[in-house]
Amino acid sequence: SAVISQKPSRDICQRGTSLTIQCQVDSQVTMMFWYRQQPGQSLTLIATANQGSEATYESGFVIDKFPISRPNLTFSTLTVSNMSPEDSSIYLCSVDRDNRQRGTEAFFGQGTRLTVV
Amino acid sequence: AQSVSQHNHHVILSEAASLELGCNYSYGGTVNLFWYVQYPGQHLQLLLKYFSGDPLVKGIKGFEAEFIKSKFSFNLRKPSVQWSDTAEYFCAVNARTGGFKTIFGAGTRLFVKA
Repeated sequence: SAVISQKPSRDICQRGTSLTIQCQVDSQVTMMFWYRQQPGQSLTLIATANQGSEATYESGFVIDKFPISRPNLTFSTLTVSNMSPEDSSIYLCSVDRDNRQRGTEAFFGQGTRLTVV
Repeated sequence: AQSVSQHNHHVILSEAASLELGCNYSYGGTVNLFWYVQYPGQHLQLLLKYFSGDPLVKGIKGFEAEFIKSKFSFNLRKPSVQWSDTAEYFCAVNARTGGFKTIFGAGTRLFVKA
């Protein structure tokens, strides 16, 4: 398993501002993933962050809105920029084992509950 | 594009009833399959997973799932549900062809009447 720590656990932000969410993993991993879970909905993948390269964004998500950093193999940040109430969601960091042959189940952080007012 | 479909969005059962939640995926090739559960106000927990071998997988809390490759399905079952099984259940898939991104279904909200 993997232990994933996310900060902050929750925040209330004013529209138009930005929030950076941090994700720390207790072991080195190649791939880190950022998800969003909007109220009452499933998890939607925002992007995949690999160390040493730019993040790969899913359809509907862009770097200007959700810039991601991945400075090393145990840490990543997701910024939610120029926030609007529609960005109110739980944001989750997830990691996979460093096993390109098989992968493994996704391990999740506790999530960051963001409310934009 | 890779996708995961869950057939039931809402299910209401009485205690002791049997449960089956449908899940189909659209990947080709080798897949890893999962069921996650999210209890009210809590975070995602892994119920069970399939990587290879016996297609009938047993998980926690009496849940099991069967991988049927020919049907691209991974249905979740429990012979007798309890009130405490009230939760949302998510089917998820990842695959090498998808870069091992885990893609989730829309979820099934289960309510068990006491």
